Amino acid sequence: EAAVTQSPRNKVAVTGGKVTLSCNQTNNHNNMYWYRQDTGHGLRLIHYSYGAGSTEKGDIPDGYKASRPSQENFSLILELATPSQTSVYFCASGDFWGGAGAEQFFGPGTRLTVL
Amino acid sequence: GDSVTQTEGLVTVTEGLPVKLNCTYQTTYLTIAFFWYVQYLNEAPQVLLKSSTDNKRTEHQGFHATLHKSSSSFHLQKSSAQLSDSALYYCALRPSSFSKLVFGQGTSLSVVP
Repeated sequence: EAAVTQSPRNKVAVTGGKVTLSCNQTNNHNNMYWYRQDTGHGLRLIHYSYGAGSTEKGDIPDGYKASRPSQENFSLILELATPSQTSVYFCASGDFWGGAGAEQFFGPGTRLTVL
Repeated sequence: GDSVTQTEGLVTVTEGLPVKLNCTYQTTYLTIAFFWYVQYLNEAPQVLLKSSTDNKRTEHQGFHATLHKSSSSFHLQKSSAQLSDSALYYCALRPSSFSKLVFGQGTSLSVVP
């Protein structure tokens, strides 16, 4: 069974503060993704990675950085958090093997509130 | 670019009646795969159905969908909605083996007694 975990599950931050969201996967997948979910916008891709040491910009990367220090771990970093970054953040892992039908597996999400 | 459209933001249906969630797409790729993800309240999205074969019906948990490349559609249907089906449903396209998923905006399904 695919396993993606996220920490923290809930986070309250202050405007201008630094926030780090962490994600760990035990699937040995090459690819990892960070999404944010907002009502009316669905799931939007922030950053993704093809493997350790690589990060790529997604559709809405502004205000976010990402780090992939190992196959298992992928972090999302908000250097200067703003209230507009209040959202639910999901991490996912997946692979290209299995062709186009290869699935992505999501973590349980992190609810971030920036005051 | 590639895109997925879910026209309904909210669908409300009475328990026991049929339900259909619409999904259409645009892509220039030929080898594509489609997914329906379901997200229950306070949970993570999870795959409900997937398909990459044109005109083949795929079924899971009472839901079914058929990929129709001729009409660029992958609608989700169920013949008898249950209260437990209430959730957020995302349609997603993978345009090729090495592409990221492209998500629709999601449809919230509410099944009422």
